[in-house]
Amino acid sequence: AQKITQTQPGMFVQEKEAVTLDCTYDTSDPSYGLFWYKQPSSGEMIFLIYQGSYDQQNATEGRYSLNFQKARKSANLVISASQLGDSAMYFCAMREGDFNKFYFGSGTKLNVKP
Amino acid sequence: EAGVTQSPTHLIKTRGQQATLRCSPISGHTSVYWYQQALGLGLQFLLWYDEGEERNRGNFPPRFSGRQFPNYSSELNVNALELEDSALYLCASSLRDIVSYEQYFGPGTRLTVT
Repeated sequence: AQKITQTQPGMFVQEKEAVTLDCTYDTSDPSYGLFWYKQPSSGEMIFLIYQGSYDQQNATEGRYSLNFQKARKSANLVISASQLGDSAMYFCAMREGDFNKFYFGSGTKLNVKP
Repeated sequence: EAGVTQSPTHLIKTRGQQATLRCSPISGHTSVYWYQQALGLGLQFLLWYDEGEERNRGNFPPRFSGRQFPNYSSELNVNALELEDSALYLCASSLRDIVSYEQYFGPGTRLTVT
């Protein structure tokens, strides 16, 4: 089974609107971390937000928030008030506590329309 | 604090040749990860080194190999280059055993095989 699944290859959003990028994960490890990265067309990978498996509250970082539903094993990224500069590939990733391994999803390409 | 560095930025090789890519992790990071990202696609895990040892490798043929040096820098070697090896190669570093600690990525090496 895939460790990280991102079912949206591409998304469009109007500037200033909110958008949700989906991510589901699969692990039997009780300790794990979930990460979102942004990759602009320049190729660099930019860390956005982190959620720990034991965290009681959803993580937030500025306009980014992570909608963490542990029972459903989902960790969706919500971007509020989209900006043109948000157009990029977005990757969901998981780190399992026991093995120091990182798993990445296939990514979602977000296009913000003016 | 200096980030993850990779060299060269671009590399053009001919089919059948060998390519060597280099990565220097963030100071204090012992784990180095290599990923291949073909144009417009997600990250494919290649190799993971920690404390000088290869800890895990992805589903790539043996002509993809590497090593980690005592100073934790790493080298990725691709032998007998094929056209489909053309991709962005990303290196990332991280600390061990801290599930909340993300990977830090370098800017990548863009390999073109002609």
